[in-house]
Amino acid sequence: KNEVEQSPQNLTAQEGEFITINCSYSVGISALHWLQQHPGGGIVSLFMLSSGKKKHGRLIATINIQEKHSSLHITASHPRDSAVYICAAYLFFGNEKLTFGTGTRLTIIP
Amino acid sequence: AAGVIQSPRHLIKEKRETATLKCYPIPRHDTVYWYQQGPGQDPQFLISFYEKMQSDKGSIPDRFSAQQFSDYHSELNMSSLELGDSALYFCASSLRTGVGDEQFFGPGTRLTVL
Repeated sequence: KNEVEQSPQNLTAQEGEFITINCSYSVGISALHWLQQHPGGGIVSLFMLSSGKKKHGRLIATINIQEKHSSLHITASHPRDSAVYICAAYLFFGNEKLTFGTGTRLTIIP
Repeated sequence: AAGVIQSPRHLIKEKRETATLKCYPIPRHDTVYWYQQGPGQDPQFLISFYEKMQSDKGSIPDRFSAQQFSDYHSELNMSSLELGDSALYFCASSLRTGVGDEQFFGPGTRLTVL
């Protein structure tokens, strides 16, 4: 069982829809990254958060440390949002390395 | 703003050959991380360096070695390459402030072993 899990694994939605991707973890963490990976392979860090909520443009990330859960929301989704979204956590006993979730492949249809 | 630079972006090698991947962190970042992402897989942590010293080690094969130089760039050396080493290799950098530093990723080096 992965220590960091995401759902859904695949998500297809129409342009304009509100998107939610979930990340749950089974052990204590100090912080969590939301990452975006496009088909070309490059990884972009969207957010790093350890509590509460962060917003950047149409993207919102929330985390509830006690419930061991984080969500990434995309408002007014657009085809260019199509990518793999990965949550990656700093586990308390993982030193400084990130433990990655399995990724969510998002496809936005025009 | 300057980003993490990796070179080469693509590399094709034969089995049993040697490869060297380079990573240039964001200026003033003191920590470098290496990750390996096989086809259809999650990135896996290989190794990290802080202030030119190895700081953490993951699932890095003994055939691989890495170091961080005085200018903070890092090199991952891979010897006796195997077909299974074909993957996307990411480098990330951060500025050490405590536990949970934000990592910034490079574009990756795609290694193909034939």
